Amino acid sequence: GQNIDQPTEMTATEGAIVQINCTYQTSGFNGLFWYQQHAGEAPTFLSYNVLDGLEEKGRFSSFLSRSKGYSYLLLKELQMKDSASYLCAVRFHRGSTLGRLYFGRGTQLTVWP
Amino acid sequence: AAGVIQSPRHLIKEKRETATLKCYPIPRHDTVYWYQQGPGQDPQFLISFYEKMQSDKGSIPDRFSAQQFSDYHSELNMSSLELGDSALYFCASSHLAGEGSEQYFGPGTRLTVT
Repeated sequence: GQNIDQPTEMTATEGAIVQINCTYQTSGFNGLFWYQQHAGEAPTFLSYNVLDGLEEKGRFSSFLSRSKGYSYLLLKELQMKDSASYLCAVRFHRGSTLGRLYFGRGTQLTVWP
Repeated sequence: AAGVIQSPRHLIKEKRETATLKCYPIPRHDTVYWYQQGPGQDPQFLISFYEKMQSDKGSIPDRFSAQQFSDYHSELNMSSLELGDSALYFCASSHLAGEGSEQYFGPGTRLTVT
């Protein structure tokens, strides 16, 4: 694939902060997306980064470093409903691969009370 | 806000049968993407359409075909179904296929081949 790597599983407690990392190969990079997916449901768009830096959206923030091929999703004030799989997806600019997303395997986050 | 609509939500077929999945994108979205997600797997890109023309093709079997119609809805046609085709099929839509265009996913069609 496109060497999109993220941890398989993470656990945290309610109210805590968790950071989910994602690395990818940098060649042809053209944007990185984070999605939340509950089992058997559609991925829900969380954030988009194409320039270096931090994008903040309420309790969720996403960071990108293009030179390092690295992103993270930061979830604050964790709630039980945040238990889900978090997918890192990258868009590359190569030939005819216009717009398609390459997904990582997802990080299954479990939030404990 | 209107979301991506997919039908049917669940479909059970036997081996060698055919299936047609439908996708209605968010209004004013001109690009549709199809993804297949097997159990415990990440979504895999199948095919996409921009302004009713195929814009990109991924790991879509020759047994599958798709098109986008004048009203921008899309259909994925699957023939000679195999057990391995059992998966969640997601449609996503965006406005323009290029930069800055987030893809919004529909609820998916769960296809079970027996």
